[in-house]
Amino acid sequence: AQSVTQLGSHVSVSEGALVLLRCNYSSSVPPYLFWYVQYPNQGLQLLLKYTTGATLVKGINGFEAEFKKSETSFHLTKPSAHMSDAAEYFCAVRPNQGGKLIFGQGTELSVKP
Amino acid sequence: NAGVTQTPKFQVLKTGQSMTLQCAQDMNHEYMSWYRQDPGMGLRLIHYSVGAGITDQGEVPNGYNVSRSTTEDFPLRLLSAAPSQTSVYFCASSSTGAPTEAFFGQGTRLTVV
Repeated sequence: AQSVTQLGSHVSVSEGALVLLRCNYSSSVPPYLFWYVQYPNQGLQLLLKYTTGATLVKGINGFEAEFKKSETSFHLTKPSAHMSDAAEYFCAVRPNQGGKLIFGQGTELSVKP
Repeated sequence: NAGVTQTPKFQVLKTGQSMTLQCAQDMNHEYMSWYRQDPGMGLRLIHYSVGAGITDQGEVPNGYNVSRSTTEDFPLRLLSAAPSQTSVYFCASSSTGAPTEAFFGQGTRLTVV
């Protein structure tokens, strides 16, 4: 069965610092991978997705993620954190066939001034 | 575009009461699903549907019932509410064709007392 593990339920960075949120998945075949962001009291919004092709994927708000098959990872990064990036971030995986979207536990990002 | 619309946004129920959470989408998506979000547990799949007349159980289906009579609507019924069902519920929809992302509603915050 597919599963997703996000390392660190809380990450705190200073404004302007690098953001790194970790995501590892288990799958027998490369799945489709997603990062979603959830701002307080709101629904989930897609940040970026990997389907096929280029392994470095760029998303909205300056975020990007790199698919590493050998490490079964899809870590999310942003070179310089902004106060508005404070939110909860979810990594999710969808198998090649079927519509189920499996989520990680989420990582809450705090940004200190 | 309305996207995915959930009603109500907030609800308080007494233990044993029943209710229906409504979900509607206007994107002609085949796939619809319900998740519950609890602190530290990410989003867990309750039920999903790959088209009108077709539903299946997810990870945590007990205590919930669904039906899909039209492409647009996918209501979630709580048969006899329990305090353990206090949670935030999200409905999502996506196309079953290409590996597109899921679109989420704004959520329903349910408290069972």
